[in-house]
Amino acid sequence: EAQVTQNPRYLITVTGKKLTVTCSQNMNHEYMSWYRQDPGLGLRQIYYSMNVEVTDKGDVPEGYKVSRKEKRNFPLILESPSPNQTSLYFCASGVRGTGGNQPQHFGDGTRLSIL
Amino acid sequence: SQQGEEDPQALSIQEGENATMNCSYKTSINNLQWYRQNSGRGLVHLILIRSNEREKHSGRLRVTLDTSKKSSSLLITASRAADTASYFCACLNAGGTSYGKLTFGQGTILTVHP
Repeated sequence: EAQVTQNPRYLITVTGKKLTVTCSQNMNHEYMSWYRQDPGLGLRQIYYSMNVEVTDKGDVPEGYKVSRKEKRNFPLILESPSPNQTSLYFCASGVRGTGGNQPQHFGDGTRLSIL
Repeated sequence: SQQGEEDPQALSIQEGENATMNCSYKTSINNLQWYRQNSGRGLVHLILIRSNEREKHSGRLRVTLDTSKKSSSLLITASRAADTASYFCACLNAGGTSYGKLTFGQGTILTVHP
């Protein structure tokens, strides 16, 4: 079954304790992306990756890191989490089409609470 | 600047009625996509319309795109209670360094009453 898998689904942690949210897709997609969703702000892109070893900042990259060492994985790293990073996070992947055809497949989300 | 802005923010209708949601954007796009999100879940892709297309259908969904007005609309016909969800438009920026960047609107919350 084609899917994007995020782990963990829920996490409560404390300020400053490094954490990683993993994302894996089994569709051989070149494009992967991370979003955060906050009430009243919609979805905002954090980072995206067009292919292995190629990553770019989205709209709200501060406080986050990513890596793309393998095609299927795109982990999101919070080196020193702060309460303003409490949010619902989504990973997505898609085909990098030459015509811009990129409907994205989303994971089920990770709800992070930083105390 | 926000690339996809949606209107209305919330829409409440009766089952069987049609629901129309609008999306406006600011800069050139490659395509515009509509997604649906059930409460607390991931987004599900509904339909994609390219910048050179004006209208597209998929089942009970109809999407239009007016590039001169930089706007799109999503029409759901004969709505059902199961259509209750949030709907988002997302714009794929055209070319340049922002290629591949998909910018979402804030969404329209649709409630369909049985």
